[in-house]
Amino acid sequence: AQKVTQAQTEISVVEKEDVTLDCVYETRDTTYYLFWYKQPPSGELVFLIRRNSFDEQNEISGRYSWNFQKSTSSFNFTITASQVVDSAVYFCALSEIDYKLSFGAGTTVTVRA
Amino acid sequence: DVKVTQSSRYLVKRTGEKVFLECVQDMDHENMFWYRQDPGLGLRLIYFSYDVKMKEKGDIPEGYSVSREKKERFSLILESASTNQTSMYLCASSLYQGVNTEAFFGQGTRLTVV
Repeated sequence: AQKVTQAQTEISVVEKEDVTLDCVYETRDTTYYLFWYKQPPSGELVFLIRRNSFDEQNEISGRYSWNFQKSTSSFNFTITASQVVDSAVYFCALSEIDYKLSFGAGTTVTVRA
Repeated sequence: DVKVTQSSRYLVKRTGEKVFLECVQDMDHENMFWYRQDPGLGLRLIYFSYDVKMKEKGDIPEGYSVSREKKERFSLILESASTNQTSMYLCASSLYQGVNTEAFFGQGTRLTVV
């Protein structure tokens, strides 16, 4: 069963538009962690953020923000005022008590100038 | 900086060959992972290891084996390569601190089996 679902396969926007990437996860553990990674065209995955299951505070880092809602098992990611350099594949991931790190299928974001 | 290095960026192998993909990390991480990445499927876990000589099957272990004789090195072995194993292979490592540490990834090995 898919533990992490990223429903959006591709999103294309014009520069300066906001982009929200959806992530829905599934777990029976009470302790778990959620992550977002970015994979630019160069191919190497870059860590963006982690959030533990006991911390539902939203987080903002520059133009990036994350919305964690346990009630809906969602951990959504928003890029505000997108730029061409934000073009990449973005992955949501879940780490459970057995240390396995499960990824979603990824969302390809294309930002056009 | 954490460095996860995969021995090859590109590989072309023949069907039936035994293939070794090597991964080395330099940050004394306990956990190491092998994933394959295919379009539309994201990253799928093949095997992971939480200690030397320890290994656990991931979601798609069939056709693969692994070896971890030293802490810094985690090898993925394709016993008899097949064309459906053509893919991008990613190695990752993370600290052993429960489930709260991020994984660091190598640059990937694009394997083509012909």
